[in-house]
Amino acid sequence: SQTIHQWPATLVQPVGSPLSLECTVEGTSNPNLYWYRQAAGRGLQLLFYSVGIGQISSEVPQNLSASRPQDRQFILSSKKLLLSDSGFYLCALDGLGAGANVLTFGAGSRLTVL
Amino acid sequence: GNSVTQMEGPVTLSEEAFLTINCTYTATGYPSLFWYVQYPGEGLQLLLKATKADDKGSNKGFEATYRKETTSFHLEKGSVQVSDSAVYFCALEKNDYKLSFGAGTTVTVRA
Repeated sequence: SQTIHQWPATLVQPVGSPLSLECTVEGTSNPNLYWYRQAAGRGLQLLFYSVGIGQISSEVPQNLSASRPQDRQFILSSKKLLLSDSGFYLCALDGLGAGANVLTFGAGSRLTVL
Repeated sequence: GNSVTQMEGPVTLSEEAFLTINCTYTATGYPSLFWYVQYPGEGLQLLLKATKADDKGSNKGFEATYRKETTSFHLEKGSVQVSDSAVYFCALEKNDYKLSFGAGTTVTVRA
């Protein structure tokens, strides 16, 4: 079965510091991968998606970037965090085995920027 | 573009009460529709889906019917339990394997 691992689970960082959130997947190959952000009191916002190694599409302009150095690894980064980057970050993969557009989500990484 | 609008919460219910969460959509064509659930401290998981008009998705006592005439996909459960307390997200297929999510509705069920 497909599984997603995200770490760290929680993170408190000062404004201006760098960020690296990691997502790895198991049980699938060449998945579509996604980074979503859930800000307090708001819905899910798609940040990035990737259809393959080195292929990243950004949905909204922002202070963040994403990379996919390996087929099953998806990294969310920032060089300098802003207060507005606080939120719950969710990695997801497209569960092709369960039908197109069925997303499997990781447990999330909660980022607090102070 | 394709988008969904769901009723705002929070919704607080007593155990065994009837739950309805409204979701309406705007779309070209007939995209697949989904309900995802997020239990406290966890990521989202698929609750149910419908891929074409008049389809009914169901799971764990929850149901939602894809209604083309009213462009709706309301979530219902006849008798909720405390364990149903969660945030519920309506979503629809956007394009290129991307989903557009609603803002989420927080449901709290009291014993």
